[in-house]
Amino acid sequence: AQKVTQAQTEISVVEKEDVTLDCVYETRDTTYYLFWYKQPPSGELVFLIRRNSFDEQNEISGRYSWNFQKSTSSFNFTITASQVVDSAVYFCALPNAGKSTFGDGTTLTVKP
Amino acid sequence: GAVVSQHPSRVICKSGTSVKIECRSLDFQATTMFWYRQFPKQSLMLMATSNEGSKATYEQGVEKDKFLINHASLTLSTLTVTSAHPEDSSFYICSARDGGDYYEQYFGPGTRLTVT
Repeated sequence: AQKVTQAQTEISVVEKEDVTLDCVYETRDTTYYLFWYKQPPSGELVFLIRRNSFDEQNEISGRYSWNFQKSTSSFNFTITASQVVDSAVYFCALPNAGKSTFGDGTTLTVKP
Repeated sequence: GAVVSQHPSRVICKSGTSVKIECRSLDFQATTMFWYRQFPKQSLMLMATSNEGSKATYEQGVEKDKFLINHASLTLSTLTVTSAHPEDSSFYICSARDGGDYYEQYFGPGTRLTVT
């Protein structure tokens, strides 16, 4: 069975602070992908990143960066210099045959 | 890029009535579509998987007679909530897979259902 754990239910930071969202996963598959999505108040899921289990290189995209560590089954997401527009719910997901197992999500609030 | 649409975006219906939600893949053929439900402040929970031309596979605990899913073409899947009740009020999100990528899925914008 697959499982995704996002232990942080809510995080509140002040603008310009860095923040890291944790994601720990469980899978028996040797090949798998991990995804991060952002869900703003409108509800629509916004794709952020997809990572292959064979690629443990960290990835940076603007203010966003991801740290994938297979040894600890973690795929953490860091926002540098957070902005108010980053306020949203963030989900980590583990797909299998297309259907995804989602973590419970982390609600990030960035205050001005 | 791959686009999935849902219609309607919001719907309010009276208790006891049925409501249909459409999910369309606009620029690709979706061999498989998925329906998720999300209650307020909760995660997305998979309800069912539908493959074009065959019966949907429902997750444990989801009433297949209440949530009717039809995937009649490679670009359209519908979810009908029959005899809706207030507890069915939720955010319904569909996603679609084009068959070329085992892991990728494209999400629709969601439909907010309110049953009064």
